[in-house]
Amino acid sequence: GAVVSQHPSRVICKSGTSVKIECRSLDFQATTMFWYRQFPKKSLMLMATSNEGSKATYEQGVEKDKFLINHASLTLSTLTVTSAHPEDSSFYICSARSGGRQTEAFFGQGTRLTVV
Amino acid sequence: GENVEQHPSTLSVQEGDSAVIKCTYSDSASNYFPWYKQELGKRPQLIIDIRSNVGEKKDQRIAVTLNKTAKHFSLHITETQPEDSAVYFCAASGGLRGQKVTFGTGTKLQVIP
Repeated sequence: GAVVSQHPSRVICKSGTSVKIECRSLDFQATTMFWYRQFPKKSLMLMATSNEGSKATYEQGVEKDKFLINHASLTLSTLTVTSAHPEDSSFYICSARSGGRQTEAFFGQGTRLTVV
Repeated sequence: GENVEQHPSTLSVQEGDSAVIKCTYSDSASNYFPWYKQELGKRPQLIIDIRSNVGEKKDQRIAVTLNKTAKHFSLHITETQPEDSAVYFCAASGGLRGQKVTFGTGTKLQVIP
């Protein structure tokens, strides 16, 4: 299957700093990528849809200025958590689909963010 | 928007028994229903999916059924093994939300040796 690589897998940062997470599709072009947040023992909550060459579409309740998304190319999307606070600590996962609406979504390995 | 409900939240079965997880969805236009398995701290992995033009699909010990009229779909795992222990998520896609995938709340499956 297609490969989606996410980096870093773990990051610890201080409150008030910003953290950038990268999501790359290694063997296919992804015009659309998705960013999820997952709390312990909880489901995957969609944060935003990342569109190549245009602004991301955010889900209701997600702060656009807090979670900056850039989809710079057909293989790279980045999520920047700005002015991080301890409550931003979570597991963040990206995904991408290589085909249309009825095709599998491939996930990155996730990033465990801890804000201290 | 789409709402996907999943039951049960936890499930314990003896090794060799069957496990069934059920999901319902709200958007009648949804047309793609994947199931993902997620082990602790790892990425979700697709285990089986079904499209709206079929009612059942099977892959070795795993099967999925879809009832479009009732808007529910189920995952069946037969002859369970300890390595089947994980969290399973159902999901729905297509419909009004296009490419977005809406996930169920997850089922933690424990297979007892």
